[in-house]
Amino acid sequence: EVQLLESGGGLVQPGGSLRLSCAASGFTFSSYAMSWVRQAPGKGLEWVSAISGSGGTTYYADSVKGRFTISRDNSKNTLYLQMNSLRAEDTAVYYCAKEPRVASYYNWLDAWGQGTLVTVSS
Amino acid sequence: EVVLTQSPGTLSLSPGERATLSCRASQRVNNNLAWYQQRPGQAPRLLIHGGSSKATGIPDRVSGSGSGTDFTLTISSLEPEDFAVYYCHHYGSSRTFGQGTKVEIK
Repeated sequence: EVQLLESGGGLVQPGGSLRLSCAASGFTFSSYAMSWVRQAPGKGLEWVSAISGSGGTTYYADSVKGRFTISRDNSKNTLYLQMNSLRAEDTAVYYCAKEPRVASYYNWLDAWGQGTLVTVSS
Repeated sequence: EVVLTQSPGTLSLSPGERATLSCRASQRVNNNLAWYQQRPGQAPRLLIHGGSSKATGIPDRVSGSGSGTDFTLTISSLEPEDFAVYYCHHYGSSRTFGQGTKVEIK
């Protein structure tokens, strides 16, 4: 059974940094691309970033480009999202999600974690 | 960027009734269209990909259809667990979600 467990969320001041982690199990982690998707309180879903199975190719939404960095450690079956220069509008539940192929290209999201809440506020 | 518009915003129905949810894209998306269900307090769950292909474990009463710019998610007979928010998702050149349709108990 695919399991994705996010951690690292919390309260951070505007301009601060936070690193999210997503521990994966139940599948061969390095064989699948992964994504981060966020959901502001009471709002819809917004795709944030994606990474190929090898980690060699990354993609970002315009809203986070230059501030967020996605990475993965296939030896630890863990996905990361380094978030810098955080803004109030980054406040959201952040979900990690598995894609069905190794390349992050034209993929749906076939498994989701339970999410971790990031609150950016002074 | 492809913009997805879902309608209606809220659908008020009774258990056993048929639910028809619409997702319209601002440009052709070549069936690169998925549907997710999100129950309160839970993560989204994949229902449909490729416009009409069901994910593993999705019941027969759920189906997806459409092509080009117009897609539909149909639940033929609503069960209590179907009352939730549904999102469509384009996973092509841009990765965008619709704003969601809430299916609530009438």
